[in-house]
Amino acid sequence: GENVEQHPSTLSVQEGDSAVIKCTYSDSASNYFPWYKQELGKRPQLIIDIRSNVGEKKDQRIAVTLNKTAKHFSLHITETQPEDSAVYFCAASTGGYQKVTFGTGTKLQVIP
Amino acid sequence: GAVVSQHPSWVICKSGTSVKIECRSLDFQATTMFWYRQFPKQSLMLMATSNEGSKATYEQGVEKDKFLINHASLTLSTLTVTSAHPEDSSFYICSARDRGRRDTQYFGPGTRLTVL
Repeated sequence: GENVEQHPSTLSVQEGDSAVIKCTYSDSASNYFPWYKQELGKRPQLIIDIRSNVGEKKDQRIAVTLNKTAKHFSLHITETQPEDSAVYFCAASTGGYQKVTFGTGTKLQVIP
Repeated sequence: GAVVSQHPSWVICKSGTSVKIECRSLDFQATTMFWYRQFPKQSLMLMATSNEGSKATYEQGVEKDKFLINHASLTLSTLTVTSAHPEDSSFYICSARDRGRRDTQYFGPGTRLTVL
């Protein structure tokens, strides 16, 4: 089955700096890669996703890149703000109605 | 749009009792719902995939007789933790796939279960 690894497990950045979280996956058939943000005690919220037919997607301060050959994808947050502090999960799926496999999570702390 | 509710939000029960958790898609139809378990500071572990009108598919290591799943309609799935024990204490989260947007999962707010 799919295995998703995520690094780093914790990340502290100064407000205004950029943050990068990296994930690798094992199943070459995976073609859908969502990213979720989870604040303490709350539900995961989808923040951005990318499909295998594109290499990069951007939404305001958030961008995701995908390298299918290397089977890794990354989340980039620019101009970080304290409200970006949360746990971020990457995930991979073969798409359609198939299950999603989550990474182990990255706790991001943005220091004011 | 794409709201998923979960009830109850928290429950405390005695060891040996059964607890039912409901997951509802409020404004869309969900042929597939997923149940996850999350321990503190850990990732979401998929327990089972719930398909409307058919038996759930359980992940390896998850006891189907202990975690009963029923997906009776396109908007409702239930998870029953039978004969709960303290080690079953956890945060249980469901998610639902919008029938019209097959890839995206929408999560419920979660249920905090504490077994005394």
